[in-house]
Amino acid sequence: QKEVEQDPGPLSVPEGAIVSLNCTYSNSAFQYFMWYRQYSRKGPELLMYTYSSGNKEDGRFTAQVDKSSKYISLFIRDSQPSDSATYLCAMSRGSGYSTLTFGKGTMLLVSP
Amino acid sequence: NAGVTQTPKFRVLKTGQSMTLLCAQDMNHEYMYWYRQDPGMGLRLIHYSVGEGTTAKGEVPDGYNVSRLKKQNFLLGLESAAPSQTSVYFCASTPRTSGRWETQYFGPGTRLLVL
Repeated sequence: QKEVEQDPGPLSVPEGAIVSLNCTYSNSAFQYFMWYRQYSRKGPELLMYTYSSGNKEDGRFTAQVDKSSKYISLFIRDSQPSDSATYLCAMSRGSGYSTLTFGKGTMLLVSP
Repeated sequence: NAGVTQTPKFRVLKTGQSMTLLCAQDMNHEYMYWYRQDPGMGLRLIHYSVGEGTTAKGEVPDGYNVSRLKKQNFLLGLESAAPSQTSVYFCASTPRTSGRWETQYFGPGTRLLVL
């Protein structure tokens, strides 16, 4: 079993839809949980991060972490064609130089 | 600030050839990382460095060597390239913090094709 599991998709939705992206993990030592967005032929860039369990909201994006279930989610409200990208979940045991463990990434396609 | 830059952007190698990928950052970050990204595999850590003159192995270090002679540069070397090393290589950096979490900043990637 890989440490972080993420459905690669692709996930196709119409503009305006609510999108739900998810990852599960097996290592209970993970404390920091991130979502990176990666456009085609670009490097990943941080979208949101959460420490431990709970919710975090930033505009149209909401990140949720449920450590008891080892499950994290990213919700995108009112999805836009510009949201079309690959979304990577990532996790680490600590801050500083603590290395990241990534999911495979989910490709999202938002059609106009 | 240019952020994290990678050289070259694209390269084709023949099996057995050697090459060096250069990563440079102008943000005075302490920590630097090399990843490879393959279809269906996500990002996997090759090597990383917590400071000038120090390096450590990541998840998939075999076939690669690294050096961090200057704080701003992190070099990834392939001594004898193999087709299995065909991939997109990303460099990243992050600053030293006192317990505060900080993201890794990624470069634009180097696409490598080994024939």
